[in-house]
Amino acid sequence: EIVMTQSPKFQSVSPKEKVIITCRASRGIGRSLHWYQHKPDQSPKLLIKHTSQPMAGVPSRFSGSGTGTDFTLIINGLETEDAASYFCHQSTSIPHTFGQGTKVEIK
Amino acid sequence: QVQLQESGPRLVKPSQTLSLTCNVSGDSISSGNYYWNWIRQPAGKGLEWIGRIYTSGSPDYNPSLESRVTLSLDSSKNQFSLKLTSMTAADTAVYYCAGHPSTDWYSFDYWGRGALVTVSS
Repeated sequence: EIVMTQSPKFQSVSPKEKVIITCRASRGIGRSLHWYQHKPDQSPKLLIKHTSQPMAGVPSRFSGSGTGTDFTLIINGLETEDAASYFCHQSTSIPHTFGQGTKVEIK
Repeated sequence: QVQLQESGPRLVKPSQTLSLTCNVSGDSISSGNYYWNWIRQPAGKGLEWIGRIYTSGSPDYNPSLESRVTLSLDSSKNQFSLKLTSMTAADTAVYYCAGHPSTDWYSFDYWGRGALVTVSS
């Protein structure tokens, strides 16, 4: 199985600052990497698919990049509503696997 | 807009079988547009993919759970189901149903709200 190593596990950030979250795959996955936002008592929400394609309605401050084994989610100008956990997901091979998640807290 | 909703008992005794159902609205599960998945998350841990089922062919399962898992579809009720046998405390988790497109990049576009299942006597 492909292991997804996500970092950091936790980040406390002031509003308007930049957040960078990384995911590393244990082997190449092309661009089959997706990012989700998960708030307590809500369903996870797909933010970005295929490494860099934002879903409809996702604010432009969210962006993704990468290829192969290294991927990045950037929140450029954090807003209070962005307090959540974020996780990556690879869909190149079965079993689908996920990063351990990054909890983003607003300072 | 596809919507998913998990249902089933939230408390299961050790060694018993968990049965959960996901009710789908907004699309027919027989349309072939999506694969239907189960995913779980134990408290304080990451997400674990359990398996997926499609309108045709055999389900795919996570090898770590394959010996205990069965997924099935009920087209008449537009729902799909999960059975997980020999439950232990380690299976206590929030269980989500989710759908990913049958084409495109297999991202989980749709999720249920989740069902917290506790294994306890």
